[in-house]
Amino acid sequence: EVQLVQSGAEVKKPGESLKISCKGSGYSFTSYWIGWVRQMPGKGLEWMGIIYPGDSDTRYSPSFQGQVTISADKSISTAYLQWSSLKASDTAMYYCARYQTSGYYMDVWGKGTTVTVSS
Amino acid sequence: SSELTQDPAVSVALGQTVRITCQGDSLRSYYASWYQQKPGQAPVLVIYGKNNRPSGIPDRFSGSSSGNTASLTITGAQAEDEADYYCNSRDSSGNQVFGGGTKLTVL
Repeated sequence: EVQLVQSGAEVKKPGESLKISCKGSGYSFTSYWIGWVRQMPGKGLEWMGIIYPGDSDTRYSPSFQGQVTISADKSISTAYLQWSSLKASDTAMYYCARYQTSGYYMDVWGKGTTVTVSS
Repeated sequence: SSELTQDPAVSVALGQTVRITCQGDSLRSYYASWYQQKPGQAPVLVIYGKNNRPSGIPDRFSGSSSGNTASLTITGAQAEDEADYYCNSRDSSGNQVFGGGTKLTVL
């Protein structure tokens, strides 16, 4: 079964750093792009960026460029989303999803990681 | 960057047909994909490409496109179809963009 398993909920203070993860299984992790999607409380889905674990080629949405870092460790089939200095406005649910370049859609989604940033 | 516009809310009587639309310039070049999201759950892909359903998605879900508008049609809506629906498309700069979402109520 193709799965993306995300790390658990996080509660952080403003200014702290954070790295959340997304581990793929059941398929060739290095052959598919992985995308990250933000959903702020009560709001819609927002595309953040994408990484190709095979060579770590990374593309960011203009809205998120410079705000987060997307990375991957292909040896453990895991993609990451990280912040160097969190803000309260980073409070959201974050989803990873497998991205199909054959049709530009996301066919498998993780269950999401809740990030709460509060003083 | 491109934008995709959806009606915020749509309602349908149980068993009737409903169409949810998505408008944007990028849809003239790329197909939309559609995602269903129920409260407290991750999104689920329901339609991709010209009109393709992933395994496990009922055939009452279908997709179509004309000009700058993509549509998701549910023929014979069921109570379990009540959810938020999001369209998504690639844009001209190579990014993906989501519509604002449509809340579907089944009456």
